[in-house]
Amino acid sequence: DMKVTQMPRYLIKRMGENVLLECGQDMSHETMYWYRQDPGLGLQLIYISYDVDSNSEGDIPKGYRVSRKKREHFSLILDSAKTNQTSVYFCASSLRDRGETLYFGSGTRLTVL
Amino acid sequence: GDSVTQKQGQVTLSEDDFLFINCTYSTTTYPTLFWYVQYPGQGPQLLLKVTTANNKGISRGFEATYDKGTTSFHLQKASVQESDSAVYFCALVPMSNYNVLYFGSGTKLTVEP
Repeated sequence: DMKVTQMPRYLIKRMGENVLLECGQDMSHETMYWYRQDPGLGLQLIYISYDVDSNSEGDIPKGYRVSRKKREHFSLILDSAKTNQTSVYFCASSLRDRGETLYFGSGTRLTVL
Repeated sequence: GDSVTQKQGQVTLSEDDFLFINCTYSTTTYPTLFWYVQYPGQGPQLLLKVTTANNKGISRGFEATYDKGTTSFHLQKASVQESDSAVYFCALVPMSNYNVLYFGSGTKLTVEP
């Protein structure tokens, strides 16, 4: 069953706390992504990972870092979370070839107080 | 740079109405173009994809045509149903960076019974 799983679904943190968002996929996709979604802005790319330990910044990487130690698992880390990082975060995966379909998880709604 | 523009933030229709969602794109070369649909509480999922080779995509009654002259990729459906209520995103993968998907800001479609 082709699936991208995100944990947790909902998370509330205080400003300055560290945040770890986890993502897994069972399709052996090489490429994985982290996007954030804010009202009126669509989806903005934070980081892209081409495979294990092969990560690149997206359009809005500031304040985030990522880790990919296994092909099926991609983590997003917020060191010292800020209130403007309140958002819905989506993980996605795809095959490496051009124009391949992205498969998205159901998202994590993060609130930073 | 590469970008996608959706000017309609919200569209409200009645069942059996004709749907037209506007999308224009900007890129230096011929991209692959997508429409993704996002239902409440879910991540986006692929609705249809069009490349320079086929120019037109059709899926689940939705249709989009790739117009290089006007750099547009509008989404149409002849007769919408209440179940089509969702957010629709236009997106592109540029030739220059074939793993990165750029999204428009999305159009929220509400179909009233």
